[in-house]
Amino acid sequence: GENVEQHPSTLSVQEGDSAVIKCTYSDSASNYFPWYKQELGKRPQLIIDIRSNVGEKKDQRIAVTLNKTAKHFSLHITETQPEDSAVYFCAASMWGSNFGNEKLTFGTGTRLTIIP
Amino acid sequence: EAQVTQNPRYLITVTGKKLTVTCSQNMNHEYMSWYRQDPGLGLRQIYYSMNVEVTDKGDVPEGYKVSRKEKRNFPLILESPSPNQTSLYFCASSLGQSLNTEAFFGQGTRLTVV
Repeated sequence: GENVEQHPSTLSVQEGDSAVIKCTYSDSASNYFPWYKQELGKRPQLIIDIRSNVGEKKDQRIAVTLNKTAKHFSLHITETQPEDSAVYFCAASMWGSNFGNEKLTFGTGTRLTIIP
Repeated sequence: EAQVTQNPRYLITVTGKKLTVTCSQNMNHEYMSWYRQDPGLGLRQIYYSMNVEVTDKGDVPEGYKVSRKEKRNFPLILESPSPNQTSLYFCASSLGQSLNTEAFFGQGTRLTVV
């Protein structure tokens, strides 16, 4: 089955600096890569996603890049703010197939702390 | 308001006492699943359901049961809970079948088995 590795497990950056979180996946059939943000005591919520037919996607201060050849994808947060402090999870999935279980395989999470 | 609702939010129980965590969604989603979240392990899928009366095992199904008798409900059943099932549980739903890939999570259930 799919295996997703995520690094680093913790990350501290000064407010205003950029943060990068990296994930690798094992199954070349995976074609959908979302990122979820989980604030303290809250549920995970989707912040951005990318499909395997594109290499980069941006939404204001966040962006995701995908390298299918190397099987890795990254989350980039620019101009970080205190409200960006949270745990971030990457995930991989095979959507739109006949595999049946369109499940999300999650990475182990990155605790991002923004230092004021 | 579109949402996934889990109950209870917190539960402390004793080993061997059967319990059920309920999950309900009001978005007419076909696909529902249960995850458990443990420190350093991320979110791991327990069971999933692609539609009514269709359920199957995820990555960590041992000690759990589910049912999907109605589209909106997907309860998680622990027939004989053990301390290693102490965890934070999330139910999630999505349209499925690549119609819309966003998974919506419930607010979580923190279970402690003593």
